[in-house]
Amino acid sequence: QVQLQEWGAGLLKPSETLSLTCGVSGYSINGGHYWSWIRQPPGKGLEWIGEIVHSGDTNYNPSLKSRVTISVDTSKNYLSLKLSSVTAADTAVYYCARNGDYSADYWGQGTLVTVSS
Amino acid sequence: EIVLTQSPGTLSLSPGERATLSCRASQSVSSTYLAWYQQKPGQAPRLLIYGASRRATGIADRFSGGGSGTDFTLTISRVEPEDFAVYYCQQYGTSPPMYTFGQGTKLEIK
Repeated sequence: QVQLQEWGAGLLKPSETLSLTCGVSGYSINGGHYWSWIRQPPGKGLEWIGEIVHSGDTNYNPSLKSRVTISVDTSKNYLSLKLSSVTAADTAVYYCARNGDYSADYWGQGTLVTVSS
Repeated sequence: EIVLTQSPGTLSLSPGERATLSCRASQSVSSTYLAWYQQKPGQAPRLLIYGASRRATGIADRFSGGGSGTDFTLTISRVEPEDFAVYYCQQYGTSPPMYTFGQGTKLEIK
């Protein structure tokens, strides 16, 4: 069974860099699927941040592209997210997910990141 | 960028009733690229429908998806108590490659 688990710092100050990791179990990141990061501000909707495949090829949301880096560590079966220069608008639950047929078929439980001075 | 608009914002129904949720795209979307999710409070979204009409693994057959072009629907034939949740549609765009979500429809108990 595919399982994903996110972790990282939960409280940041404005201008700092958000750094999260997603561990995948029950499936190899080398398996050919893309893997996404998606976020959800409290009480709001879903926003796709970007995706990566095992080769390191990435696609990013144009609205966040200048601040986002997604990477993959195939030896550890991890993917990572870095988001620079955070503001309060980046406060959200951050999810990692596996991309299936142009959709996200497996999701982590999410991790809340709060940006506050 | 394609914008997805969901309606209604809130749908109030009683268990046993039929639910019809709408997702309208600002430009034509290939059916292959349209999905629906269910999200309950404090939980991650769950994939219900992909390819506009294909049920994901383990999804009850009371859930069905349809539509084409710019208009898509998610139908719950008879709403069960566990179906009260927020539903999102999502599309995949190719230029640039990216996913976008609708703003959600909340299905609440009447």
